[in-house]
Amino acid sequence: AQSVSQHNHHVILSEAASLELGCNYSYGGTVNLFWYVQYPGQHLQLLLKYFSGDPLVKGIKGFEAEFIKSKFSFNLRKPSVQWSDTAEYFCAVNTGGFKTIFGAGTRLFVKA
Amino acid sequence: DAEITQSPRHKITETGRQVTLACHQTWNHNNMFWYRQDLGHGLRLIHYSYGVHDTNKGEVSDGYSVSRSNTEDLPLTLESAASSQTSVYFCASSDIAGGPYNEQFFGPGTRLTVL
Repeated sequence: AQSVSQHNHHVILSEAASLELGCNYSYGGTVNLFWYVQYPGQHLQLLLKYFSGDPLVKGIKGFEAEFIKSKFSFNLRKPSVQWSDTAEYFCAVNTGGFKTIFGAGTRLFVKA
Repeated sequence: DAEITQSPRHKITETGRQVTLACHQTWNHNNMFWYRQDLGHGLRLIHYSYGVHDTNKGEVSDGYSVSRSNTEDLPLTLESAASSQTSVYFCASSDIAGGPYNEQFFGPGTRLTVL
């Protein structure tokens, strides 16, 4: 069965530290990849998405993600986190049709 | 601004009762989705609809039903609530223009507790 794995359930960083959140999926065909973020008390919103082309995707608020097809990975990165990045981050994969599979989420806490 | 609203935001009910969670979107999107969010499981798809009078089962549809009588609304009904249905429920929508790969827009969620 198709699945999405997020390796870290909880991450604690200090401001200005670099961030990398892991995401791996299990599907051998064409995929469309997403990272969503849920800030405290807010709706889930799209951070960035990959459909095709350049595997390095840039999103809002300085986030980027790299699609590595050979590793079935789509890791999220940010060079220097801020306190306002405290949120829960979800990786999601669409393999066709209307079904998008979400990972379990990673809760990031950034210490000021 | 277009948005998705959900009501109620919090609900406590008893086992065996019928519960309906409302979802209303003003994006004029054709695709609408219901998910539940549980610790360690992320978001799991309950039901989805890609147009009026269309509904489809997701991966965790047992005990839930939906109906789509207009573009704006997709109410989710728990026929006979069970404690296992205690969860946070999210409604989402997406535009048909880009097909199913498009960004989904989410509502604020409904926290349901079944005692």
